Amino acid sequence: KAGVTQTPRYLIKTRGQQVTLSCSPISGHRSVSWYQQTPGQGLQFLFEYFSETQRNKGNFPGRFSGRQFSNSRSEMNVSTLELGDSALYLCASSDRDLYGYTFGSGTRLTVV
Amino acid sequence: DQQVKQNSPSLSVQEGRISILNCDYTNSMFDYFLWYKKYPAEGPTFLISISSIKDKNEDGRFTVFLNKSAKHLSLHIVPSQPGDSAVYFCAASEYSGGGADGLTFGKGTHLIIQP
Repeated sequence: KAGVTQTPRYLIKTRGQQVTLSCSPISGHRSVSWYQQTPGQGLQFLFEYFSETQRNKGNFPGRFSGRQFSNSRSEMNVSTLELGDSALYLCASSDRDLYGYTFGSGTRLTVV
Repeated sequence: DQQVKQNSPSLSVQEGRISILNCDYTNSMFDYFLWYKKYPAEGPTFLISISSIKDKNEDGRFTVFLNKSAKHLSLHIVPSQPGDSAVYFCAASEYSGGGADGLTFGKGTHLIIQP
């Protein structure tokens, strides 16, 4: 069974640009969550989607948005990039409401 | 305000001995706790979890203990092996019935197993 796939693995963007990250969950998983990992803040919850609907959102500015498609694939978008957005962005999928999250390897975003 | 705290950024343990990783939380609404292990350049891997109705859960070499009154949990690894060297994250959730609130993570403890 294929795991959670995140693309691209690495990305370098310039301040002010926007970026879209992609996540393909494990087949059959309908819940997809996004997390940001930075050295100073650790892993922080961004948002969670279930059946194309955002169920919950963490404490991040509106520049961070996401969506989920009918095949459960999810995208995360960050607009007007800032240097502080440099981080590892992790996606996790689950086949149940809350438990049993499986994480992808992440997308390493560097903003210069 | 950090709701899940791992106060030891790193821990060094000799191979074969017991590793004890600690985690404290402040939100009394948390009712499910998880431990994840993370290697560099990989996503976190689920290790073990515990519901707030229990005080202990075992899975092979891994045991998690929960002390609700102290809002404290710990992960015991016995015996420690070189492959256990990784960053360990404690996570907690508050199930709001109908939707997932997402996991609240600690900042991690880097466990180093010395030969």
